[in-house]
Amino acid sequence: GAGVSQSPSNKVTEKGKDVELRCDPISGHTALYWYRQRLGQGLEFLIYFQGNSAPDKSGLPSDRFSAERTGESVSTLTIQRTQQEDSAVYLCASSRRRNTGELFFGEGSRLTVL
Amino acid sequence: QKEVEQDPGPLSVPEGAIVSLNCTYSNSAFQYFMWYRQYSRKGPELLMYTYSSGNKEDGRFTAQVDKSSKYISLFIRDSQPSDSATYLCAMSEQGGGSNYKLTFGKGTLLTVNP
Repeated sequence: GAGVSQSPSNKVTEKGKDVELRCDPISGHTALYWYRQRLGQGLEFLIYFQGNSAPDKSGLPSDRFSAERTGESVSTLTIQRTQQEDSAVYLCASSRRRNTGELFFGEGSRLTVL
Repeated sequence: QKEVEQDPGPLSVPEGAIVSLNCTYSNSAFQYFMWYRQYSRKGPELLMYTYSSGNKEDGRFTAQVDKSSKYISLFIRDSQPSDSATYLCAMSEQGGGSNYKLTFGKGTLLTVNP
């Protein structure tokens, strides 16, 4: 596709439920990132995938968060037993090369935990 | 002290004004500096990218980096209503495996009034 595609665009869930967010990066982009943007806060790094290398999971806030990526394509971010503080916009980005700041972001998945 | 500090605004200016947006940072290892623009309910898009100290100009936009003061700026000349957005500064470290991990400011909300 022309850009990074994320789904769902909006998700409302109840506390304690699991949610899965999907990201489809730009074709040919080897690097994929997940960031979280909470209201009034800057973007927080969550996880980074680069090709077949082991992902950098250092930004995941707790073991309730996990992410997978199939090769150099789709990624899913899973949040188990959601809490109200998980409410945020989850942004996915991809890039051609590892060592630049030129990330191409999707429009995000807005998660609301009631 | 947060790694990156950015005045969240909001900043409101008349059309045609010169806008100055700024960030300070504490991590002297940052070498790559970026400005992203984020329209409401959209993902951030890269606006300017600079490496190390100095100035970079692109049309109406000028980015400045002063590493000695740990201070970066974005200037917008002849501002237009279409420039109304949130501006996020971002930075990353040089070399190694960590420079893909962008650290973002909280963003400054700019409104340009016709």
